[in-house]
Amino acid sequence: KAGVTQTPRYLIKTRGQQVTLSCSPISGHRSVSWYQQTPGQGLQFLFEYFSETQRNKGNFPGRFSGRQFSNSRSEMNVSTLELGDSALYLCASSSPKGASSYEQYFGPGTRLTVT
Amino acid sequence: QKEVEQDPGPLSVPEGAIVSLNCTYSNSAFQYFMWYRQYSRKGPELLMYTYSSGNKEDGRFTAQVDKSSKYISLFIRDSQPSDSATYLCATETSGSRLTFGEGTQLTVNP
Repeated sequence: KAGVTQTPRYLIKTRGQQVTLSCSPISGHRSVSWYQQTPGQGLQFLFEYFSETQRNKGNFPGRFSGRQFSNSRSEMNVSTLELGDSALYLCASSSPKGASSYEQYFGPGTRLTVT
Repeated sequence: QKEVEQDPGPLSVPEGAIVSLNCTYSNSAFQYFMWYRQYSRKGPELLMYTYSSGNKEDGRFTAQVDKSSKYISLFIRDSQPSDSATYLCATETSGSRLTFGEGTQLTVNP
């Protein structure tokens, strides 16, 4: 079974620009979660989508948004990029049991550098 | 207080040693606990998860949860150089949201 795929793997953007990252979950998984990983803050939850609906949201500003398509693929968007947005963005997919999605499988991540 | 706390290390051990990695958590309502391994420049890989208290074993790895002390542990027996990675503990804090510890960087020396 193919794993979680993320594109692009690396991205360099300039402050003020916007960026869109893509995630394809494991086949059959309907839940997609996004996390930001930085050396200072570690792994932090951004949001989770299930059946095209945002089901859970972390404590990030509105510049961070996402969506999920009917085939469970997901995208996240960051507008008006800041230097502090430089991070590894990770997508995880799971096949939830009720409200729980504890078996989350991560993709390789997109490394975003903002200059 | 952080919801999940983990000593970031680094931890360096000789090959063949037993490694003990630990985390504490703040809320007794947390039920699911996971351990992830992350190699440099890769995404985290789910090693194992446990529900509530008790032990779970998978090969050389044993995960342990002590709910009375809000303590979770991962033991690695007969550690190998290929085990060198960052180990992250996590718990499901709200629905599908995972909250992670800082990660412990482990090096196993041949």
